[in-house]
Amino acid sequence: GENVEQHPSTLSVQEGDSAVIKCTYSDSASNYFPWYKQELGKGPQLIIDIRSNVGEKKDQRIAVTLNKTAKHFSLHITETQPEDSAVYFCAAQKKTSYDKVIFGPGTSLSVIP
Amino acid sequence: EAGVAQSPRYKIIEKRQSVAFWCNPISGHATLYWYQQILGQGPKLLIQFQNNGVVDDSQLPKDRFSAERLKGVDSTLKIQPAKLEDSAVYLCASSLGQSTGELFFGEGSRLTVL
Repeated sequence: GENVEQHPSTLSVQEGDSAVIKCTYSDSASNYFPWYKQELGKGPQLIIDIRSNVGEKKDQRIAVTLNKTAKHFSLHITETQPEDSAVYFCAAQKKTSYDKVIFGPGTSLSVIP
Repeated sequence: EAGVAQSPRYKIIEKRQSVAFWCNPISGHATLYWYQQILGQGPKLLIQFQNNGVVDDSQLPKDRFSAERLKGVDSTLKIQPAKLEDSAVYLCASSLGQSTGELFFGEGSRLTVL
């Protein structure tokens, strides 16, 4: 089955710097790659997603890139702010909603003011 | 729009006792998921419902865990008897049920087994 790996497990950056989180997946049939942010005591919330027919997607300070050949995708956060501090999960899913969403182990991001 | 509701938020039980968690998904969402999130790990799918039917329960420990979704709306996840390793946050999520799309998560039910 699908396996999603994520690095680093923890990341500390100064406010205003950029943060990059990298993920790899094993199943070449996966074609949907969401990123979720989980704040303390809350459930994960979708922040951005990318589908396999697109190489890059950007939404304000957040961008995601996908390399299907290498089976890896990355989250880029620019101009980080203290409120970006949270745990971030990458995930992978095949083409239908019947296929389970497989989450990576998470990256704990701390933005130091 | 109301989000996914879960209860209770916290539960502490002794091992071998039973516990039940309840979830009310977003209105109109056909797909409902129960995830187990152990501290420091990513969510792991336990069971996925499409309306009333089970789509995937391959990782549900069926000797102790059970779940149902009556009338295609609310769902209950039960653990009986609980083990120490069941200590985790149980997250319920729902989605429209179309091809790949956003999961909407509740705040979770934190279970501690002593």
